[in-house]
Amino acid sequence: GESVGLHLPTLSVQEGDNSIINCAYSNSASDYFIWYKQESGKGPQFIIDIRSNMDKRQGQRVTVLLNKTVKHLSLQIAATQPGDSAVYFCAENNAGNMLTFGGGTRLMVKP
Amino acid sequence: EPEVTQTPSHQVTQMGQEVILRCVPISNHLYFYWYRQILGQKVEFLVSFYNNEISEKSEIFDDQFSVERPDGSNFTLKIRSTKLEDSAMYFCASSELVFNQPQHFGDGTRLSIL
Repeated sequence: GESVGLHLPTLSVQEGDNSIINCAYSNSASDYFIWYKQESGKGPQFIIDIRSNMDKRQGQRVTVLLNKTVKHLSLQIAATQPGDSAVYFCAENNAGNMLTFGGGTRLMVKP
Repeated sequence: EPEVTQTPSHQVTQMGQEVILRCVPISNHLYFYWYRQILGQKVEFLVSFYNNEISEKSEIFDDQFSVERPDGSNFTLKIRSTKLEDSAMYFCASSELVFNQPQHFGDGTRLSIL
């Protein structure tokens, strides 16, 4: 499940700091969005989702913000931990049941 | 916590051979999916499956591909005559409902075509 070889944008943060990962989505008709975390050797793991009738949703240590005006999605991770190091993907649902994935961002947490 | 399981984790096959990738979706889920990720590229949708038939498929999912739910627990992806460009990670996913529901992914099968 690695994204080896992807020329991913990388976000490097200090342990304990907050992280913000951004995503621009493509289709203004998309009505459902998901953030996934992918660790080396594993598949995408669901983190949090948001419907288009909302602009913010909070989970445990994570918050997703949706700005439909500029087609922008962000994932905020509070008090980032070494275990948060992974590749993060946003995905949008705009037609039927297929998800369209973004290119991913690599988060590196420095102890 | 229930999870999607995929076998094998790595499959090496000669070009032109048939390959079957296997998945066991989460037991109470009704919708099943296959995605793939070619090295260095994005995760791409292949096909979705509900009620024993394909509900949606992408342009990638041509006549060389087929899916099947042979019994109450397994969901398979068959590639009839593999090509070098079929080398990728293949992910199975499932969801309880179809709209506005997260799809839960397995850890994938790495398919290497020689």
